[in-house]
Amino acid sequence: AQTVTQSQPEMSVQEAETVTLSCTYDTSENNYYLFWYKQPPSRQMILVIRQEAYKQQNATENRFSVNFQKAAKSFSLKISDSQLGDTAMYFCASRATGTASKLTFGTGTRLQVTL
Amino acid sequence: KAGVTQTPRYLIKTRGQQVTLSCSPISGHRSVSWYQQTPGQGLQFLFEYFSETQRNKGNFPGRFSGRQFSNSRSEMNVSTLELGDSALYLCASSLVSGGTDTQYFGPGTRLTVL
Repeated sequence: AQTVTQSQPEMSVQEAETVTLSCTYDTSENNYYLFWYKQPPSRQMILVIRQEAYKQQNATENRFSVNFQKAAKSFSLKISDSQLGDTAMYFCASRATGTASKLTFGTGTRLQVTL
Repeated sequence: KAGVTQTPRYLIKTRGQQVTLSCSPISGHRSVSWYQQTPGQGLQFLFEYFSETQRNKGNFPGRFSGRQFSNSRSEMNVSTLELGDSALYLCASSLVSGGTDTQYFGPGTRLTVL
């Protein structure tokens, strides 16, 4: 079984600043994927970034990057140059390669970007 | 391409009734997964269908069921509704099951049970 823990229920950051959202996970699988999803208020959930566990290099997508520490089972998301449109719930999720498409989600971090 | 669509967007039912929710995946996608989102339990996996077959099932009672049609559209059914079934039900589609491709989520169906 997989578990995902997000210890920060809410965070706030000023526009143009950098913020890091924390995520830890537990799994007995050797092969798995990790994801960060964003759910803006009243809007659809979208994928922000994903990381294959077998890759040592941290994934980056424009202003979004991850710090993947496999031994520590940590997968944090860094948002640089925060924008008002980044205001959303952010969910960390994992998927073992042997469980089809099942995602295991954390409880989420509500991020508020302020002026 | 059109995104994942879910109908209806909102539903109000009373305890004991049953409900059917529909999900149309992105064209060409054959895998559809369903999730329940509640403030208390968060996002929980219900089941996944691929090529009309259930591939995986979460820890939900048998009142929750689903199916997938030959055009990949999927429905989920909840029978004998309980107050605790009030939730946002999300579906997600991907090209294949368990592959490396991205899962795309629909806008959800918000079910309220009175």
